[in-house]
Amino acid sequence: DTEVTQTPKHLVMGMTNKKSLKCEQHMGHRAMYWYKQKAKKPPELMFVYSYEKLSINESVPSRFSPECPNSSLLNLHLHALQPEDSALYLCASSQVGGASETGELFFGEGSRLTVL
Amino acid sequence: DQQVKQNSPSLSVQEGRISILNCDYTNSMFDYFLWYKKYPAEGPTFLISISSIKDKNEDGRFTVFLNKSAKHLSLHIVPSQPGDSAVYFCAASEFSNQGGKLIFGQGTELSVKP
Repeated sequence: DTEVTQTPKHLVMGMTNKKSLKCEQHMGHRAMYWYKQKAKKPPELMFVYSYEKLSINESVPSRFSPECPNSSLLNLHLHALQPEDSALYLCASSQVGGASETGELFFGEGSRLTVL
Repeated sequence: DQQVKQNSPSLSVQEGRISILNCDYTNSMFDYFLWYKKYPAEGPTFLISISSIKDKNEDGRFTVFLNKSAKHLSLHIVPSQPGDSAVYFCAASEFSNQGGKLIFGQGTELSVKP
């Protein structure tokens, strides 16, 4: 099983709503990531979890709150978002390791978020 | 400050010919370089990678070349096929026990014409 599964595929929410994006992988990877991608732009790193602990937060606003309940699951809780937060949110997973690892990340298909 | 740059936003190639996609980077601490392919409304798909200790890696029709002194890498696709039409992202990784931080270039949209 080499899949990273993201739900929902599409989400429309108002600025006062609270919603969550979910991500699941069963490859035994111990690093999981959230990336944000706007149209015609490259994916931008938001958060990295390593061994279920938040290891990197790329100065993301607090209206985005990540959670890693266990080694297979990664959530992104959304609250009081702005229209400019509309984007494709990509989850990824990988091995955690040193220079001998390939560094390959496996991406999910993304959750397309629209904030009205 | 862009650490990974793809200066060509688009490239058009005839079917059967070679496609060459270029990428430059600034951070000499990067130890792995990867190419991802992305179709609209899908997540990026890993294509090929190269370690900083190598200068070439080949996988079927895809070859990645790394020139560390020039901080430049390129992806060669030979022969190009219409199904290769997609956006190609170059990415660089400085891997550590914290998990890899992958930095992406802006992407190059490849169009392979029949």
